[in-house]
Amino acid sequence: EIVMTQSPATLSVSPGERATLSCRASQSVSSNLAWYQQKPGQAPRLLIYGASTRATGIPARFSGSGSATEFTLTISSLQSEDFAVYYCQQYDYWPPLTFGGGTNVEI
Amino acid sequence: QVQLVQFGAEVKMPGSSVKVSCKASGGTFSSYAISWVRQAPGQGLEWMGGIMPVFGTTNYAQKFQGRATITTDESTSTAYMELSSLRSEDTAVYYCARAVGARNTYFDYWGHGTLVTVSS
Repeated sequence: EIVMTQSPATLSVSPGERATLSCRASQSVSSNLAWYQQKPGQAPRLLIYGASTRATGIPARFSGSGSATEFTLTISSLQSEDFAVYYCQQYDYWPPLTFGGGTNVEI
Repeated sequence: QVQLVQFGAEVKMPGSSVKVSCKASGGTFSSYAISWVRQAPGQGLEWMGGIMPVFGTTNYAQKFQGRATITTDESTSTAYMELSSLRSEDTAVYYCARAVGARNTYFDYWGHGTLVTVSS
């Protein structure tokens, strides 16, 4: 099983600031990495797939980078609606598909 | 417009089973893989398993092998996940999610979730 580790667990930022979230895989997942945003009481929402491709309708302030075992999600200028929990997920080797533990982006 | 509709909540006794449904509308149901992902209160996301109708195969996380059963009914565009031998640790929101394509990959559409509470 590929273990996904996200850091930090909690990220405290101010609106307008840049946020950088990390995700590490226990072995290479190539570029088969997705990022999701989840707000309280809601289902996850796909942000990024293929490590760096934004999903339909996702604002340009969200960007993904990385390959193999190291990945980054960057939110260039945080808006109030961006405060949420973010998860990475690998789909290179399954079963099982695996998620990271999440990063809570808070004010 | 693709939608995955799930019912709100279930309360079950320990040792019993629950069968959660996920009705899809929009798109071609059998062309996409469907997975079930659960989230315990205050915890992260956990993939339970997925079904790939195009290939006629179902895969499970080892943790749920033998206890979870994922099926589909193409006539009603509905996916099901049945979990048996319930215990308190199974209390969670259970989401269905549609993969992009026929294989288990990443998920572009999610149901709103079904809260399953296991309690005596």
